[in-house]
Amino acid sequence: SSELTQDPVVSVALGQTVRITCQGDTLRTFSVNWYQQKPGQAPIFVIYDKNKRPSGIPDRFSGSSSRNTASLTITGAQAEDEADYYCHSRDSSGAKHLFGGGTKLTVL
Amino acid sequence: QVQLVESGGGVVQPGRSLRLSCAASGFTFRSFVIHWVRQTPGKGLEWVTVMSSDGRYIHYADSVKGRFTISRDNSKSTLYLQMNSLRAEDTAVYYCVREVNYDSGSGSYYDYWGQGTLVTVTS
Repeated sequence: SSELTQDPVVSVALGQTVRITCQGDTLRTFSVNWYQQKPGQAPIFVIYDKNKRPSGIPDRFSGSSSRNTASLTITGAQAEDEADYYCHSRDSSGAKHLFGGGTKLTVL
Repeated sequence: QVQLVESGGGVVQPGRSLRLSCAASGFTFRSFVIHWVRQTPGKGLEWVTVMSSDGRYIHYADSVKGRFTISRDNSKSTLYLQMNSLRAEDTAVYYCVREVNYDSGSGSYYDYWGQGTLVTVTS
């Protein structure tokens, strides 16, 4: 069955660059979105359609995708970026949606 | 402003039923595809179900197919989730989320989420 795989935990030093990845065969066909979730809050989208950043999201957030792997990069991570990050796409049928298992980002 | 407000969560015994509601405001509800997404406490997001703007197409995750039913009343700007034969593994915060298409039309993403309603299935 279709699935999206993320590293469960990633850490980054304050001000450094971190890449969070999402792997899945369906990413060869369908685009990907990224959501940030902080404790006790609903998720918000930070990247959509692989690499588009919505208004209000800092430009240190960027996205890319190639073959079966999508990436969310934070260039110059800040303390407020500490959160859970989820990738989102479709299953092989295109009808159902999928989330990755999530990556907990710690900013040291 | 766009708002999605879920209600109807609570504590229920295994095998029983519960109906969740999602009241929308601040946008033309009948024009948007809306989903239910759930999150087990302390764990990740799981897509549950979707209904098109006109109610003509519906899809369910395999984990809930045959037990959950999504519906909507566009005249009331409200989405529903009827949950039957509940199991312990259905315990989660249930979010309703609004889907919007990419500018290219080749896909979609969730631009607004409700705050969620907690469903706890326990004996």
